[in-house]
Amino acid sequence: QQQVKQSPQSLIVQKGGISIINCAYENTAFDYFPWYQQFPGKGPALLIAIRPDVSEKKEGRFTISFNKSAKQFSLHIMDSQPGDSATYFCAASIRTGANNLFFGTGTRLTVIP
Amino acid sequence: EAQVTQNPRYLITVTGKKLTVTCSQNMNHEYMSWYRQDPGLGLRQIYYSMNVEVTDKGDVPEGYKVSRKEKRNFPLILESPSPNQTSLYFCASREKRGAGELFFGEGSRLTVL
Repeated sequence: QQQVKQSPQSLIVQKGGISIINCAYENTAFDYFPWYQQFPGKGPALLIAIRPDVSEKKEGRFTISFNKSAKQFSLHIMDSQPGDSATYFCAASIRTGANNLFFGTGTRLTVIP
Repeated sequence: EAQVTQNPRYLITVTGKKLTVTCSQNMNHEYMSWYRQDPGLGLRQIYYSMNVEVTDKGDVPEGYKVSRKEKRNFPLILESPSPNQTSLYFCASREKRGAGELFFGEGSRLTVL
């Protein structure tokens, strides 16, 4: 059973456009929601993360929007660049205890020049 | 340089031939974990370890073993590999407490014929 559902599976965006990736979860105990970025041949790396006490977090061109009541969160990439082409994973965890991350299925983003 | 190192990076083996994928981290992290990445399924946790001699099952532990005899090392053992274990494997580590960043190795691509 997938604890975090992610869509779309793949996304093609023109350079300068906005990329939007969505995730949804069921477990209301989750209290940490990171996004990881993975380039071909590399391991995933933390991109940005949010906790449920805020509705939005922005770092440069990357923004997480969080809707606690809907149990959804999304990644927005503004002014998308070819260098942003990668696979993006959302994830969720409970910060107490083992704090294991549950990952979404991934979105392959291609930004066309 | 802070890193998680996995070996081998690529391996082709045959059904039933025991193999070990090594993982070592130089960040003095207490927590280490193994994931497998499959198309359409994202990253799924195999095993994790909260500290030396403390290991526990993740979501997909069947067919795998781990050990944590030293803080820096967390090998993944496939006693009798089967074709359904053909996958891309990632080792990761982080500090034990809180929702810290998970640092991934570069992956080990395993093919079982």
